[in-house]
Amino acid sequence: DAGVIQSPRHEVTEMGQEVTLRCKPISGHDYLFWYRQTMMRGLELLIYFNNNVPIDDSGMPEDRFSAKMPNASFSTLKIQPSEPRDSAVYFCASTAGASGEYNEQFFGPGTRLTVL
Amino acid sequence: DQQVKQNSPSLSVQEGRISILNCDYTNSMFDYFLWYKKYPAEGPTFLISISSIKDKNEDGRFTVFLNKSAKHLSLHIVPSQPGDSAVYFCAGGTSYGKLTFGQGTILTVHP
Repeated sequence: DAGVIQSPRHEVTEMGQEVTLRCKPISGHDYLFWYRQTMMRGLELLIYFNNNVPIDDSGMPEDRFSAKMPNASFSTLKIQPSEPRDSAVYFCASTAGASGEYNEQFFGPGTRLTVL
Repeated sequence: DQQVKQNSPSLSVQEGRISILNCDYTNSMFDYFLWYKKYPAEGPTFLISISSIKDKNEDGRFTVFLNKSAKHLSLHIVPSQPGDSAVYFCAGGTSYGKLTFGQGTILTVHP
């Protein structure tokens, strides 16, 4: 398996522009998570899906952020309009859900977003 | 509300010595804890786990200790190697798959 795939790997945009980050989870995984990594807060959970349905979006910072999962193999995280404080590394992760003693999440390589 | 805290932003050790990374948590409902390792420009990768009903788990050079009364866990790496230099995240997990991560600790192992 190719693992979790994210695109683009790097994104540089100007303040006010729309940004769309993409994720393809591991085939067969029914949970998908979006995280943001910053120096101050580490890895923050933004939102997660189970069977394509959003379960918990309490980590989404504000209405400028939205996420969708139209099917089991694709998810997007959109920021509109983007602001310089959104600059961070965004990770997507997936897992097969409850099985065994713990649920290991598998992470993609991340998208480094810079908003100028 | 930071449910998982790693209070040491960085740690520097000599090759061959022990590295001890610490993590504190406030949520008593975590069912297990995981440690992840992250190299630059890569996503975090799973390192080792421990169930909330155990106090120790060992895997080669890596051992995780859990002190439930103190709500504290630690990762011991012995002996430390230069290839262990990375960011280490601890995370608390629940049965429905959600993980809550700490801020991370940058470990540097000097040759």
